[in-house]
Amino acid sequence: KQEVTQIPAALSVPEGENLVLNCSFTDSAIYNLQWFRQDPGKGLTSLLLIQSSQREQTSGRLNASLDKSSGRSTLYIAASQPGDSATYLCAVRRSQAGTALIFGKGTTLSVSS
Amino acid sequence: AAGVIQSPRHLIKEKRETATLKCYPIPRHDTVYWYQQGPGQDPQFLISFYEKMQSDKGSIPDRFSAQQFSDYHSELNMSSLELGDSALYFCASSLGPRVNEQFFGPGTRLTVL
Repeated sequence: KQEVTQIPAALSVPEGENLVLNCSFTDSAIYNLQWFRQDPGKGLTSLLLIQSSQREQTSGRLNASLDKSSGRSTLYIAASQPGDSATYLCAVRRSQAGTALIFGKGTTLSVSS
Repeated sequence: AAGVIQSPRHLIKEKRETATLKCYPIPRHDTVYWYQQGPGQDPQFLISFYEKMQSDKGSIPDRFSAQQFSDYHSELNMSSLELGDSALYFCASSLGPRVNEQFFGPGTRLTVL
């Protein structure tokens, strides 16, 4: 059974810092991995999607990497801003046939000004 | 850009009542997914549809049913509601099940009293 773990559960940093959020999964046979942002009580905003054949994806100040063999993904946020404060969730899709996303419990980020 | 629309946004029901949640996918998206997020929990996959056919099934209780209509909107029907059904219910959509970058709606917050 695929399990997704995110460490740390919470992170507080001052504005301007570069930071890394970690995601690990137990079964390396994934189809793709998606990073989301969730603000309190709100929906999930898709940040980056990495297909299983890719090593990384970039969007603005965000860079996500994927190492399938070790079952790990990282989300790198450059020059953090208070507006980045939110919970970041990673989710893996098991296979092309199985469409469900399996989520980690998220990392809650707080960026202070 | 148009996003996933969910209605209602908030719903309060009594135990043993029924509820119907609606989801309107992004235009041209033909695949919809339903997730349940309990308080402080990660989203759990319930069910998905592609071209009006069920494509994947997760931990959806037998008291729940869902369908996708010819215009691709979807409805989640919940009967004999229990206190434990109180949660945020998200609908997501994608352009086909193979690419599967899932875009989430704002969610329906269901409270069962």
